[in-house]
Amino acid sequence: SYAMTQPPSVSVSPGQTASITCSGDELGDKYVNWYQQKPGQSPVLVIYEDVKRPSGIPERFSGSNSGNTATLTISGTQAMDEADYFCQAWDSSTAAIFGGGTKLAVL
Amino acid sequence: EVQLVESGGGLVQPGRSLRLSCAASGFTFDDYAMHWVRQAPGKGLEWVSGISWSGDSRDYADSVKGRFTISRDNAKNSLYLQMTSLRAEDTALYYCTKNFLMTTGVGHTFDIWGQGTMVTVSS
Repeated sequence: SYAMTQPPSVSVSPGQTASITCSGDELGDKYVNWYQQKPGQSPVLVIYEDVKRPSGIPERFSGSNSGNTATLTISGTQAMDEADYFCQAWDSSTAAIFGGGTKLAVL
Repeated sequence: EVQLVESGGGLVQPGRSLRLSCAASGFTFDDYAMHWVRQAPGKGLEWVSGISWSGDSRDYADSVKGRFTISRDNAKNSLYLQMTSLRAEDTALYYCTKNFLMTTGVGHTFDIWGQGTMVTVSS
């Protein structure tokens, strides 16, 4: 079955750029969504279809997907961005699959 | 306000059944596919099942296929998950989620999430 790998943790200083990767075989051929989950809260969709931002999501969140890797980029990271981030892939023949999640620490 | 409220979770013995419900409000329920996504304590997210707006199309994760059944009642703005032959590994917080875009199929993107209902399978 299809699987995706995320780094368990990523650290970033306030104001810097954070990059969270999601790797999978030919992942670039699938669509990737990204979700943010803060402790004790439900997930929030922050990027869909690789690069699109839902209404209300700050412009500092962006996404890309090519080859075997999708990347969530947070520019000018703020303390409020500290959370777990999950990638999720799908295509016409694949059920929704989540990556294992990455804990973003803003230090 | 768009809202999803789950109910029906609890402690259940292995092999027994449980039915989860999700009450939707604040949007046109029968325009959207709906899903169940679960999260074991301290773990990641796992998509469980999805159903099209009409109920004609349903899809399941391999881990629950044959044991769980998703359904919906558009007249009651409600989503359900009938879980049978429960196992310890089904222990998780079960989220009801709305598909982001209107689609004829099951869909794969989740924009509105409830607070979840906890299911614990243990003897």
